[in-house]
Amino acid sequence: QSVLTQPPSASGTPGQRVTISCSGSSSNIGSKYVHWYQQLPGMAPKLLIYRNNQRPSGVPDRFSGSKSGTSASLAISGLRSEDEADYYCAAWDDSFYVFGTGTKVTVL
Amino acid sequence: EVQVVESGGGLVQPGGSLRLSCAASGFTFSTFSMNWVRQAPGKGLEWVSYISSSSNTIYYADSVKGRFTISRDNAKNSLYLQMNSLRAEDTAVYYCASDIPSTGASYWGQGTLVTVSS
Repeated sequence: QSVLTQPPSASGTPGQRVTISCSGSSSNIGSKYVHWYQQLPGMAPKLLIYRNNQRPSGVPDRFSGSKSGTSASLAISGLRSEDEADYYCAAWDDSFYVFGTGTKVTVL
Repeated sequence: EVQVVESGGGLVQPGGSLRLSCAASGFTFSTFSMNWVRQAPGKGLEWVSYISSSSNTIYYADSVKGRFTISRDNAKNSLYLQMNSLRAEDTAVYYCASDIPSTGASYWGQGTLVTVSS
C-alpha cells in the first residue's frame, strides 16, 4: 500500500505564508478527496481540511487546501507560533486510507 | 460534548493478543463509519482498519490483515480492535477516529499506547 509524499519540513517567520505539498497517484489524490490533519506536539491529530479545500467548523481561514491532478497543497497564511506542528495529507486509495509522510512546520 | 476514549492498551509479549476498545459519546455513533489509526513512537500516522456504520464493509491495512479484527457495537456506542499475533512493529499509539462526512465533523480519541516487547 502506497504513501503520499510530503517534504519533511517547512518553516517561516510569523506572518509569512507557508505551503506544504503532497504528491500521490491517480488511484488516490487523482480520483479521491484529499484531507489534511494537524498534529500539535503530544496531541491527537485534528482534521484541518476535508474534501480538498473545505474547512471544518472552527478552523481559521488562514488554512486553505487545493488539489491539481495527483498533487495537493496546504497553505498557511499569516503564520502564527501556534501553527508549529506536524501536518499530514491523506486520501482513500481503493480499499485503504493512505497518509502522507508528514511535514513538520517550524515558526522561526 | 463529544468524547472519544480509547482503552485496553498496555505491554504485551510478541505473539500475544490485546483487545482495544473505543467508547464514543456526544455524537450519533451509529451513523459514522470508524477507523483505527496508529502512530509508532516518533513516526508518522498509519491507517490500520475501517468499518462502516452498519459493519457491512471492513478494510484492513496489509500490515495487519489476518492478525487484527475490527468490530463495533452500535448499541454500546463502542468500537473494538482485536489484535492477535502481535509483533514489535505493532508498538504504537492507537487512535480511534471517525470517518469524515460531508459536514466535516471528525472525531478522534487521545489514543492508547500498545507496547509489544519481551
